[in-house]
Amino acid sequence: DTAVSQTPKYLVTQMGNDKSIKCEQNLGHDTMYWYKQDSKKFLKIMFSYNNKELIINETVPNRFSPKSPDKAHLNLHINSLELGDSAVYFCASSPNPAGSYNSPLHFGNGTRLTVT
Amino acid sequence: GNSVTQMEGPVTLSEEAFLTINCTYTATGYPSLFWYVQYPGEGLQLLLKATKADDKGSNKGFEATYRKETTSFHLEKGSVQVSDSAVYFCALSARTGANSKLTFGEGITLSVRP
Repeated sequence: DTAVSQTPKYLVTQMGNDKSIKCEQNLGHDTMYWYKQDSKKFLKIMFSYNNKELIINETVPNRFSPKSPDKAHLNLHINSLELGDSAVYFCASSPNPAGSYNSPLHFGNGTRLTVT
Repeated sequence: GNSVTQMEGPVTLSEEAFLTINCTYTATGYPSLFWYVQYPGEGLQLLLKATKADDKGSNKGFEATYRKETTSFHLEKGSVQVSDSAVYFCALSARTGANSKLTFGEGITLSVRP
């Protein structure tokens, strides 16, 4: 069983469209994250949710809106897509908000978003 | 703020060569330090970690020692294999109240040729 699963794996869309990426974890973790990896492999945190509540919100355009219907799911909706949004987006989870301090994050396999 | 700096890549080695990937950090307080590895087409996975000064993390033949005096956490392996080809990320985690945030270095691509 995949611990952290993301869909879709690939997403190709045109500028101006709205798209969503879904993430689910079956580890029973309380905390979930979205990371963006650019073309140079640099990883940056975007959001973190703990038990459906937003706890980390980095400087991200408000076109990006995370939604957590329950603690096992964290979806990412992106409005009015731009060329610069092209990247690989990773979902991750940890047992608690301090999880990355004491225990590793578990990452999904990523969603490669290409905006044309 | 917290930051992690990795040596510039990419790195290409022959099988059985010795590997060192440098990592230095800047942080307030006492962070935990990690190395994550990303194999092609996959997400990141933890390779090893160290939570206090002078701790040595080790896994799959890789080692790294938390050096507070030089603020470093260099990754080493005595004899690399083709299967070690991947992107390697150094990271630190510092606690902010009840939360913590993982800050990654830029990643370095390692290619091992037979």
